Amino acid sequence: DQQVKQNSPSLSVQEGRISILNCDYTNSMFDYFLWYKKYPAEGPTFLISISSIKDKNEDGRFTVFLNKSAKHLSLHIVPSQPGDSAVYFCAAHNSGGGADGLTFGKGTHLIIQP
Amino acid sequence: EAGVAQSPRYKIIEKRQSVAFWCNPISGHATLYWYQQILGQGPKLLIQFQNNGVVDDSQLPKDRFSAERLKGVDSTLKIQPAKLEDSAVYLCASSFGTGAGEQYFGPGTRLTVT
Repeated sequence: DQQVKQNSPSLSVQEGRISILNCDYTNSMFDYFLWYKKYPAEGPTFLISISSIKDKNEDGRFTVFLNKSAKHLSLHIVPSQPGDSAVYFCAAHNSGGGADGLTFGKGTHLIIQP
Repeated sequence: EAGVAQSPRYKIIEKRQSVAFWCNPISGHATLYWYQQILGQGPKLLIQFQNNGVVDDSQLPKDRFSAERLKGVDSTLKIQPAKLEDSAVYLCASSFGTGAGEQYFGPGTRLTVT
């Protein structure tokens, strides 16, 4: 039973355009969400996060939107650059769960085309 | 600031053999996590330590997996005996405290069981 779903295994976007990566979750107890970026042969690197009390968080070219009623979040990258080509993981945290392990989606492979 | 260190980076063993992985977290980080990432999946939490105590090991297959963090710093994860389905990347992560927040990942150990 996947609690965090990333339904697009891959996404191809032209350099300079907007990349939109989507993530859905089923567990209503999740209250903190994170996006990680992963290059081959490296560990995931934190990108941006959002608390469930907010609906938007922005950091430079990266913006995360949260729609709690739809249990949906998205990561927007504007403008997309070649170095953004990587696998992006959506992760969720339940502060009331007693432990702090993150629940990850399967990832979306973003390819930025020149 | 030095990141999370892991060794070895790659390991190939035969089924029924044993293997151990080592992790050194970021200095001052009290919380340490081990995740398993099977090809095509997101990382899955195996165990969380707070200092040298176990916070959550509910997803650790305890009949064959064990982990320790004796002095509250370095940690080892052991598999004995290994099965084919244990082939995965084993990621170590650390964070300053507990609760929601960024976890810093190491580069991982890629294990192949033949």
